[in-house]
Amino acid sequence: TQLLEQSPQFLSIQEGENLTVYCNSSSVFSSLQWYRQEPGEGPVLLVTVVTGGEVKKLKRLTFQFGDARKDSSLHITAAQPGDTGLYLCAGANAGNNRKLIWGLGTSLAVNP
Amino acid sequence: NAGVTQTPKFQVLKTGQSMTLQCAQDMNHEYMSWYRQDPGMGLRLIHYSVGAGITDQGEVPNGYNVSRSTTEDFPLRLLSAAPSQTSVYFCASSYSGQNLVSRTIYFGEGSWLTVV
Repeated sequence: TQLLEQSPQFLSIQEGENLTVYCNSSSVFSSLQWYRQEPGEGPVLLVTVVTGGEVKKLKRLTFQFGDARKDSSLHITAAQPGDTGLYLCAGANAGNNRKLIWGLGTSLAVNP
Repeated sequence: NAGVTQTPKFQVLKTGQSMTLQCAQDMNHEYMSWYRQDPGMGLRLIHYSVGAGITDQGEVPNGYNVSRSTTEDFPLRLLSAAPSQTSVYFCASSYSGQNLVSRTIYFGEGSWLTVV
């Protein structure tokens, strides 16, 4: 069974701090997506990474796909209260691209 | 833009009752799916559909039925509600194709279901 492990599970920081969350697996994925979910809402796609070693930036968020396509990280620079939410990673399996493998998420709280 | 619309937002059911969660999308997406989200369990796929008339089981299909008579609608039916089905349910849709790479999945706002 393929698993995606996210760490840390919970993170509470002050506004302006930097942080990194991780999404790790022992399996290779053809692509990996990051979503943010705010309380009472559905997940919203932030980015998709498809190439080993790929780095994508979305304003203060930097996403990296591991060289071996088994892991990914999300780095937030100068976190803002608006970054608060649940960050989920989801991997697409080259053998079955119709079903995503989901991590359990990192719950981030950014305090003013 | 409506996107993915789910109804109802909240529902309380008694054990043994049946109900249908409605899902509609206005983006002409072929692929639609239903997830449930529970603390410590994450998002788990219940059923999915790759087009009208085609459905398949996901990770946790027991106790749920789906049908896809139109491209727009993908209702989820609880046949005989059980307390274990207390959860938040999300409908999602995206363009289809053989590869999920770069495919954006759009989620509804969720339906909170409590079975007592």
